[in-house]
Amino acid sequence: KNEVEQSPQNLTAQEGEFITINCSYSVGISALHWLQQHPGGGIVSLFMLSSGKKKHGRLIATINIQEKHSSLHITASHPRDSAVYICAVRRGGSQGNLIFGKGTKLSVKP
Amino acid sequence: DSGVTQTPKHLITATGQRVTLRCSPRSGDLSVYWYQQSLDQGLQFLIQYYNGEERAKGNILERFSAQQFPDLHSELNLSSLELGDSALYFCASSVGPGLAKNIQYFGAGTRLSVL
Repeated sequence: KNEVEQSPQNLTAQEGEFITINCSYSVGISALHWLQQHPGGGIVSLFMLSSGKKKHGRLIATINIQEKHSSLHITASHPRDSAVYICAVRRGGSQGNLIFGKGTKLSVKP
Repeated sequence: DSGVTQTPKHLITATGQRVTLRCSPRSGDLSVYWYQQSLDQGLQFLIQYYNGEERAKGNILERFSAQQFPDLHSELNLSSLELGDSALYFCASSVGPGLAKNIQYFGAGTRLSVL
């Protein structure tokens, strides 16, 4: 079983819809990251969380440490949000390496 | 633009060969991380350097090696290449060693094709 599981694997939405991507993990962590990988391959770090909730524009990320679960929400989705969203966790006590989920491929149709 | 520069963007080579991938971190960042992304394995952490010293090691093969130079740029050396080494190789950088200011900024990647 993977230490980081994401769901769904693929997601198609209509422009304007509210989107939720989930990430569950099975190890103790010191931080959780959400990354966005564009169709061209480039990776952008969206959020780093160790507790609670963070918001940036139309993106909201939450984490529940007790339940070992995080969600990434996109409000008022737009075709330019189409990308692969990757959850990654840093194990508790580690110095820098991340364990990655397999990603959620999001396609937003106009 | 993340500020992390990776060269080359694309590399095509043959089995058995050796290649060097280069990464220049963001100005002021002391940590450099290397990741491999293949179709079947997804993203995997290879190795981290902090201020010239190896800090953490992941799933890096013995045929692969890396170093970080005094000017903080890093090189990933891949030798005795196999078809299965074909992948996207990403470099990322961060300010600190990983615990405090550990947002990682990713380069655009080097796409390696081994024929």
